[in-house]
Amino acid sequence: GAGVSQSPSNKVTEKGKDVELRCDPISGHTALYWYRQSLGQGLEFLIYFQGNSAPDKSGLPSDRFSAERTGGSVSTLTIQRTQQEDSAVYLCASSRPGGEQFFGPGTRLTVL
Amino acid sequence: AQRVTQPEKLLSVFKGAPVELKCNYSYSGSPELFWYVQYSRQRLQLLLRHISRESIKGFTADLNKGETSFHLKKPFAQEEDSAMYYCALIRRGSQGNLIFGKGTKLSVKP
Repeated sequence: GAGVSQSPSNKVTEKGKDVELRCDPISGHTALYWYRQSLGQGLEFLIYFQGNSAPDKSGLPSDRFSAERTGGSVSTLTIQRTQQEDSAVYLCASSRPGGEQFFGPGTRLTVL
Repeated sequence: AQRVTQPEKLLSVFKGAPVELKCNYSYSGSPELFWYVQYSRQRLQLLLRHISRESIKGFTADLNKGETSFHLKKPFAQEEDSAMYYCALIRRGSQGNLIFGKGTKLSVKP
């Protein structure tokens, strides 16, 4: 079947604008993760969703970052008032509980 | 603190040579460790996990608790092994949140 998909693949925005990044997990995967891949910091965990449980938001770097997951499937990561340091590749992954995480192709965000 | 360290940013070897990508970790207790690989223009994907004790694409990794290491090894490197390799562990108390090292770029020259 189809793997994890993310959209858009690339996003260029101006500093101060809000952006929304989308992730479609593999069907049947109840766990969904967001990570950020940046030159300076490497791969960092952002947020985790599992079923109907409260999300683990411990990796979100500031209150400008938020995410939601509707209907236990699609997830949207929102960054408000973007800053240049937000420029990175945002990766989404999904898995069965305790299973292998399958990663999407990522969204490359550039904040000018 | 839970941490993964990959001391080499870049490792360059010739085809057919042995390769070892180093990974050290900081973790109290028994970590669950992984190696992920990202080939050029492809997605990040799982290469192997220590609990499986398997060999994938000729790569193996042994958990050494005494040295807190999980080095990735292959006896004879191939050009198609050229990629970014990330060592990772599951953060304690989480449901699978991965802590990654900063990665090592392996370049296998002909």
